[in-house]
Amino acid sequence: GAGVSQTPSNKVTEKGKYVELRCDPISGHTALYWYRQSLGQGPEFLIYFQGTGAADDSGLPNDRFFAVRPEGSVSTLKIQRTERGDSAVYLCASSSMLPGDTQYFGPGTRLTVL
Amino acid sequence: AQSVTQPDIHITVSEGASLELRCNYSYGATPYLFWYVQSPGQGLQLLLKYFSGDTLVQGIKGFEAEFKRSQSSFNLRKPSVHWSDAAEYFCAVGADGGSQGNLIFGKGTKLSVKP
Repeated sequence: GAGVSQTPSNKVTEKGKYVELRCDPISGHTALYWYRQSLGQGPEFLIYFQGTGAADDSGLPNDRFFAVRPEGSVSTLKIQRTERGDSAVYLCASSSMLPGDTQYFGPGTRLTVL
Repeated sequence: AQSVTQPDIHITVSEGASLELRCNYSYGATPYLFWYVQSPGQGLQLLLKYFSGDTLVQGIKGFEAEFKRSQSSFNLRKPSVHWSDAAEYFCAVGADGGSQGNLIFGKGTKLSVKP
């Protein structure tokens, strides 16, 4: 596609439920990033993929959060036993491996945990 | 650890006036620096980036930024603001000093433009 797409655009769930957020990167981009943006804050890094493998998952807040990218393209961020504090906009970005290339961001998924 | 500070939470300028948004970073070596803009309901859009070379960087939409190593700053400027520039602006630094890997963002500066 022309840009990074994320689905759903909005997700409302109840505390304790499981959610999956999807990111479809720009075609050919090998690097994929997940960030979380809470209200009034800048995006905070969660996890970074190079191809199929997680190159850096140091930003995942706890073991309820997990992400996969099985074929090196689409990625899914999975959150188990959601808590109200997980409410935020989840942003995905992708980039090539060319030196100096930009991270291109998707529109985000707004997650609300009731 | 790397960090980014945007001292101004909210700035209001008149249409046609000049603009400067401040950004200070903390990083030991030459950083990779970025400015992104986020309009309501929109994703982050890159305005400009600095990796090396000329310290005055030109970006899209008439924006520019100047890297000043001595001040650890990367302030964003525009000579004449348009109403459509109203948005939130984020400064970011590459976490590992490179162009890959995650970005560390400031908390953002919200720009309002009055007619």
